[in-house]
Amino acid sequence: DAKTTQPPSMDCAEGRAANLPCNHSTISGNEYVYWYRQIHSQGPQYIIHGLKNNETNEMASLIITEDRKSSTLILPHATLRDTAVYYCIVRVARGAQKLVFGQGTRLTINP
Amino acid sequence: NAGVMQNPRHLVRRRGQEARLRCSPMKGHSHVYWYRQLPEEGLKFMVYLQKENIIDESGMPKERFSAEFPKEGPSILRIQQVVRGDSAAYFCASSGSGSSLEQYFGPGTRLTVT
Repeated sequence: DAKTTQPPSMDCAEGRAANLPCNHSTISGNEYVYWYRQIHSQGPQYIIHGLKNNETNEMASLIITEDRKSSTLILPHATLRDTAVYYCIVRVARGAQKLVFGQGTRLTINP
Repeated sequence: NAGVMQNPRHLVRRRGQEARLRCSPMKGHSHVYWYRQLPEEGLKFMVYLQKENIIDESGMPKERFSAEFPKEGPSILRIQQVVRGDSAAYFCASSGSGSSLEQYFGPGTRLTVT
């Protein structure tokens, strides 16, 4: 699986959009971008995934650049409960397999 | 639809004892994964199982650790002769088959070895 690079930490004001970047310059054509988050001491939570088109669900939006070398997770209206470590993971979708977690981005939402 | 269930949530063992951690996957899921998170560290994959089969155990320590996912009942992660370094949060995740491969995690079991 391709390696990902994320900033170690970010801050965002409550109510504003939180934009979390991820670089995956060695991504292969059959690899998807997945985002998970871990709120303090809880089990990781799946957020969203995509291949090349932008994706949106009830939690977030995922913007993937045209060359697929980077992506941005957008939390449109961040709340204090969005404070967590966010992980960007690149993996092949075919066949169930392990997730390889990096260090992620520690996002702090400030009141 | 109940999520992934793990028990116990907290487990205290003395050095040398055995620890058994249980994981019930989401209904309809046949793939189970175990991850470990040491204090102040990231999540590390341990083992991936399907019913009655170990598919990938590349992250499992070679000694004292074993896992199973029997035809009936929960998946079990077993740690024999625990040591202080085994103190960690152990998370179980499950996924279905087919193209939807998101993994859904349980709340974890926090093992403390005294």
